[in-house]
Amino acid sequence: EPEVTQTPSHQVTQMGQEVILRCVPISNHLYFYWYRQILGQKVEFLVSFYNNEISEKSEIFDDQFSVERPDGSNFTLKIRSTKLEDSAMYFCASSILDIQGDTIYFGEGSWLTVV
Amino acid sequence: GNSVTQMEGPVTLSEEAFLTINCTYTATGYPSLFWYVQYPGEGLQLLLKATKADDKGSNKGFEATYRKETTSFHLEKGSVQVSDSAVYFCALRGGATNKLIFGTGTLLAVQP
Repeated sequence: EPEVTQTPSHQVTQMGQEVILRCVPISNHLYFYWYRQILGQKVEFLVSFYNNEISEKSEIFDDQFSVERPDGSNFTLKIRSTKLEDSAMYFCASSILDIQGDTIYFGEGSWLTVV
Repeated sequence: GNSVTQMEGPVTLSEEAFLTINCTYTATGYPSLFWYVQYPGEGLQLLLKATKADDKGSNKGFEATYRKETTSFHLEKGSVQVSDSAVYFCALRGGATNKLIFGTGTLLAVQP
């Protein structure tokens, strides 16, 4: 069964450093997403991406965050200058359509620890 | 705005017990409703979904019925197994935005 893959599975970084989290969405999917889950809290939406543009972003997704599809298969989340509060599990996801009945498929997540 | 409320865990059951995890929602319009499951060390997997009122989603012995009158989507299973131990997330999608809105998750621990 096709799946969303993410790397790295776990990264430890120092405060202020740049981090790039990578994802390979399911190949025939057109819409890509990042969600995150701070330990003990809800899974939260960060951003959606379609046709090489951000289609929606949350208030969490400020100027420190950016997303990119550098080639035909990868989808990346960059955090320019990490803060302690960025420590979380980051989930990449994808879907064929962006309608409410369509299923969003998630990767296994990348644990980011900022020290 | 849209929101999801699900019962707090952990829920601890013996094998073959009946499971209910409550989920209620607040939304404008008629959202689609989902249950995702996260097994230890793994990502979020879709368990089941329902896209309109009175629909029943089912998978792997789990069921949930979209109840518009009570704004609920409770997850049930008649006989749980140790392998069902995981965190279960209720979620909705729809209204002014198509982003998924999640509940807090409920940890289920099934003991042999």
